[in-house]
Amino acid sequence: NAGVMQNPRHLVRRRGQEARLRCSPMKGHSHVYWYRQLPEEGLKFMVYLQKENIIDESGMPKERFSAEFPKEGPSILRIQQVVRGDSAAYFCASSPPSVFPYEQYFGPGTRLTVT
Amino acid sequence: AQSVTQLDSQVPVFEEAPVELRCNYSSSVSVYLFWYVQYPNQGLQLLLKYLSGSTLVKGINGFEAEFNKSQTSFHLRKPSVHISDTAEYFCAVTEGGSGGYQKVTFGTGTKLQVIP
Repeated sequence: NAGVMQNPRHLVRRRGQEARLRCSPMKGHSHVYWYRQLPEEGLKFMVYLQKENIIDESGMPKERFSAEFPKEGPSILRIQQVVRGDSAAYFCASSPPSVFPYEQYFGPGTRLTVT
Repeated sequence: AQSVTQLDSQVPVFEEAPVELRCNYSSSVSVYLFWYVQYPNQGLQLLLKYLSGSTLVKGINGFEAEFNKSQTSFHLRKPSVHISDTAEYFCAVTEGGSGGYQKVTFGTGTKLQVIP
């Protein structure tokens, strides 16, 4: 059973470009979470999605950031018009639709560098 | 609202010595607690979790943690560390209930540096 997959592992974008980060959850998992890790900081919750639904986006910046988890395919975190402050590691986690509470399984992360 | 405090940002310790990484939480309801480890340039891996029952929880790689409700703590311990334990450790908390939705709050992490 493959783990949570994220791609790309490293992404370099110039200021003003768009960044698209992909996350494929573990097989059988229908819940996806995105976190951001800034240097010397812990993980900050961004958004929680189920298939075709955004459940909680309270951690998402109001502008430029969006996330989706379509019926088919990976979850996408999209950052428009990136700025240097967006440079961080972005982690995706998934969990199964089972009885609360359940463990979150993390992917290896995408390290975004904005130049 | 739930929160987690990891009191030490870095902990240096000699190889084969014991270590304790501290974690305190704040929550108004029952909680579930986790410790994750992150090796350089990798994602987080679950070390152990407290859901209910015995307050002493054993995890992988020889780690254990004790849930102390009165002190709202969940400190991580290992009696003898190895070089390979050098990593960053995150304490996390989630609250009970919520109709199946689990929002996890992470601490800021503690970097464990094992010195040969």
